[in-house]
Amino acid sequence: GQNIDQPTEMTATEGAIVQINCTYQTSGFNGLFWYQQHAGEAPTFLSYNVLDGLEEKGRFSSFLSRSKGYSYLLLKELQMKDSASYLCAVRERGQNFVFGPGTRLSVLP
Amino acid sequence: KAGVTQTPRYLIKTRGQQVTLSCSPISGHRSVSWYQQTPGQGLQFLFEYFSETQRNKGNFPGRFSGRQFSNSRSEMNVSTLELGDSALYLCASISGDYNEQFFGPGTRLTVL
Repeated sequence: GQNIDQPTEMTATEGAIVQINCTYQTSGFNGLFWYQQHAGEAPTFLSYNVLDGLEEKGRFSSFLSRSKGYSYLLLKELQMKDSASYLCAVRERGQNFVFGPGTRLSVLP
Repeated sequence: KAGVTQTPRYLIKTRGQQVTLSCSPISGHRSVSWYQQTPGQGLQFLFEYFSETQRNKGNFPGRFSGRQFSNSRSEMNVSTLELGDSALYLCASISGDYNEQFFGPGTRLTVL
C-alpha cells in the first residue's frame, strides 16, 4: 500500500535551521519531491531526489535514503516567509505522484 | 513562458448539480494531472492524462471524470455533486522528463 508520513506541525525561530522528515512506503519508487505551499496558494516545487544523498539548492537541501524509505528537507537561515506547509511526494512506478499530509511550519520572530 | 491556468478560480454549486473545470498546461507539456485538496485528506490524486489518453487514475468514484484535448488542455467533470466534493481542485502540468510538476492556482469549489 501507499503510506507517507510527515510531522503535522513544526515551529522554529527566524534565522535558525529546521529539518522536516518524511518516511514512505509506496508501490515502487521513481523519485521523491518536496513542495512548499503557502496558505491559499498552489504548491510550488522545491526539490527532487532520485538517488541517495543530499541535494542542495540555496537555503534548501533535501536528503534521500531509498533503503530506509526516508527523506528530509533542511531549511537554513529561516525567514518569516518560510512559514508554509511542506509536502513530501513520491513518484511511483507508473508515474503517479503520492503526496504526504504536509508539515505546517511556523517561523517565529 | 506562460504558467498553468485554471478556470474558473471559484465556483459555488448545489448538491446534485454537475461542474466542469478547465486547465491549460504550460506550452509544450503534454501531461496533466488533477488533484483534490481538502483540509482533512490533503492532496489526493484524481487522474493523469498524456496525449489525450488517461494514463493513471486515483481512487475516486465514477462521478469524477476527465479528458484531454489535442492541444493538451484538460477538463475534469464532477457529476451529481455532494457536499464532500467541496475542495480545492489543482491541475499540474508535468515536464517531459517527469521531474517537475507545475501547479496551477486551483479552482475552489464549494457545494451547498
